[in-house]
Amino acid sequence: AQTVTQSQPEMSVQEAETVTLSCTYDTSESDYYLFWYKQPPSRQMILVIRQEAYKQQNATENRFSVNFQKAAKSFSLKISDSQLGDAAMYFCAYSTNTDKLIFGTGTRLQVFP
Amino acid sequence: DAGVTQSPTHLIKTRGQQVTLRCSPKSGHDTVSWYQQALGQGPQFIFQYYEEEERQRGNFPDRFSGHQFPNYSSELNVNALLLGDSALYLCASSLTGTGGFIEQYFGPGTRLTVT
Repeated sequence: AQTVTQSQPEMSVQEAETVTLSCTYDTSESDYYLFWYKQPPSRQMILVIRQEAYKQQNATENRFSVNFQKAAKSFSLKISDSQLGDAAMYFCAYSTNTDKLIFGTGTRLQVFP
Repeated sequence: DAGVTQSPTHLIKTRGQQVTLRCSPKSGHDTVSWYQQALGQGPQFIFQYYEEEERQRGNFPDRFSGHQFPNYSSELNVNALLLGDSALYLCASSLTGTGGFIEQYFGPGTRLTVT
């Protein structure tokens, strides 16, 4: 069975600094997707960034980038130039598309001015 | 363009009762998935509906059932409520069959409290 593990329950960062959130996963599939979702206090889950397993190039979306290590089954999220609005729960998730999302337990990110 | 909507926002029920939660998908979407998010946990997949049928199901008991209507909206029903059913219930919609990556769009959730 596929699993997603986030070992950092909480992280904190100073505004304008960089922070990295960690995620590992386990699967026997060769074709899959990995995601980072943000859940602010409003509760609505927002897709931050996705990575297709067949792509070697790491995905980037503005200040958000990932470090995808397929052999190590590692998928970390780097947030550069952190902003107060980045404070939220961040969930790593896995999917084989058209399929259910499997989420980790989340990392609470605090951003200090 | 309306996103995914869910009702009600909050709900308080007594143990043993039954509850119905509702979800309207994003315009143009035909697939609805339901997730349960217990406090301090990540969402857990309950089931997915497509073409008015349950297409996939997670590891949830039969007390959890659902329905999809011809307009693609969906209901989640939970019978014989237990205290452990207290959670945030998230609905996500998507469009099946477009090829390539299929993004799921989430609603704001329904907070269910069982006392």
